[in-house]
Amino acid sequence: EDQVTQSPEALRLQEGESSSLNCSYTVSGLRGLFWYRQDPGKGPEFLFTLYSAGEEKEKERLKATLTKKESFLHITAPKPEDSATYLCAVQAEGGSEKLVFGKGTKLTVNP
Amino acid sequence: GAVVSQHPSRVICKSGTSVKIECRSLDFQATTMFWYRQFPKQSLMLMATSNEGSKATYEQGVEKDKFLINHASLTLSTLTVTSAHPEDSSFYICSARDLRGGRGQFFGPGTRLTVL
Repeated sequence: EDQVTQSPEALRLQEGESSSLNCSYTVSGLRGLFWYRQDPGKGPEFLFTLYSAGEEKEKERLKATLTKKESFLHITAPKPEDSATYLCAVQAEGGSEKLVFGKGTKLTVNP
Repeated sequence: GAVVSQHPSRVICKSGTSVKIECRSLDFQATTMFWYRQFPKQSLMLMATSNEGSKATYEQGVEKDKFLINHASLTLSTLTVTSAHPEDSSFYICSARDLRGGRGQFFGPGTRLTVL
């Protein structure tokens, strides 16, 4: 069974304090790994898709990396507006487009 | 990015009534849409995959007679929660895949259902 585990469950940072969020996964052949941002009471907002180990993608203060067992979301010099829950999801090879999500990491950035 | 809308954003109903939730892809066509449910502090759980012009595919443990899905056009899928009960109270979110954007799924803003 495909599984995604995110850590930590919650993270508090001071503005400007860089850190990383972890997403560990087990999947029967990875088709893609996805990062989303979710604000309270809203739907997930797409951030990145990673397809193969060694791949990296960046967007503003966020950088996502991928290995064969895990992915990291690095946040450089975060700002209060980066506060949100960050979700990781995997899609397995095969015909299904099903996404399996982790429980997320709730990030709070204090000014 | 691709835009997906949902309506209503919030609904409160009495136990035993049916509730319909609409999911629309606004700037692209989606042959496949997905319905998820999210309980507080839990993962998004896929309920079913909605295919335009054919029957939906339900995940194990999801009652297809209770959660009716219709995908009548390339931009609209509906989820009807029939005979809703308090345990059906949750955050329902749809998504759609925009082929122009690779393999990413784009999510709607969600519908908060509260059954009294």
